[in-house]
Amino acid sequence: ETGVTQTPRHLVMGMTNKKSLKCEQHLGHNAMYWYKQSAKKPLELMFVYSLEERVENNSVPSRFSPECPNSSHLFLHLHTLQPEDSALYLCASSEGGSGNTIYFGEGSWLTVV
Amino acid sequence: AQSVTQPDIHITVSEGASLELRCNYSYGATPYLFWYVQSPGQGLQLLLKYFSGDTLVQGIKGFEAEFKRSQSSFNLRKPSVHWSDAAEYFCAVKTNTGNQFYFGTGTSLTVIP
Repeated sequence: ETGVTQTPRHLVMGMTNKKSLKCEQHLGHNAMYWYKQSAKKPLELMFVYSLEERVENNSVPSRFSPECPNSSHLFLHLHTLQPEDSALYLCASSEGGSGNTIYFGEGSWLTVV
Repeated sequence: AQSVTQPDIHITVSEGASLELRCNYSYGATPYLFWYVQSPGQGLQLLLKYFSGDTLVQGIKGFEAEFKRSQSSFNLRKPSVHWSDAAEYFCAVKTNTGNQFYFGTGTSLTVIP
């Protein structure tokens, strides 16, 4: 499935760095998502963007900042991260509305040192 | 609140044996139901989905799942497992309003020769 593309696939950053993860979907969808997947933990929804709503998980620290300039692109801006933020970050998209399906990218592996 | 339970954290089966992965959900109405598979270091790939109609749905790679309303379950099955099926399997639920998907904690499948 190459409908959702994430870059970079791997990122190593120091705690004082500022970096961004990029996601692009080629499926004509109008909802996009960021999920965090840590070892031994459930998938954690971080943010949802759609025409109808923007949803934020209130437990996500402010050092993660999403940006959705249009329905095809989604960014996750990272600054002053902590080692516990090391995880696989998954971008996904869906058609929006009821009865739709969510499709995932390959993920971006983030290591904070 | 909606929730998804996958009671089996890890399952080991022999190659060629049958497989059933359990999924139970909590939701007041009939949800939209999904199974995804994740190979190591990859994103989640859709195996199959149920929206309405026939409660037995067929998916890719020889998988099927059956929706049982009375048991609030959507168990995944495969009659004969192949070594390449070793992966993490996630059940997911979406309500008929909004854009949020709820994932189970996953079941890790090991296939032994």
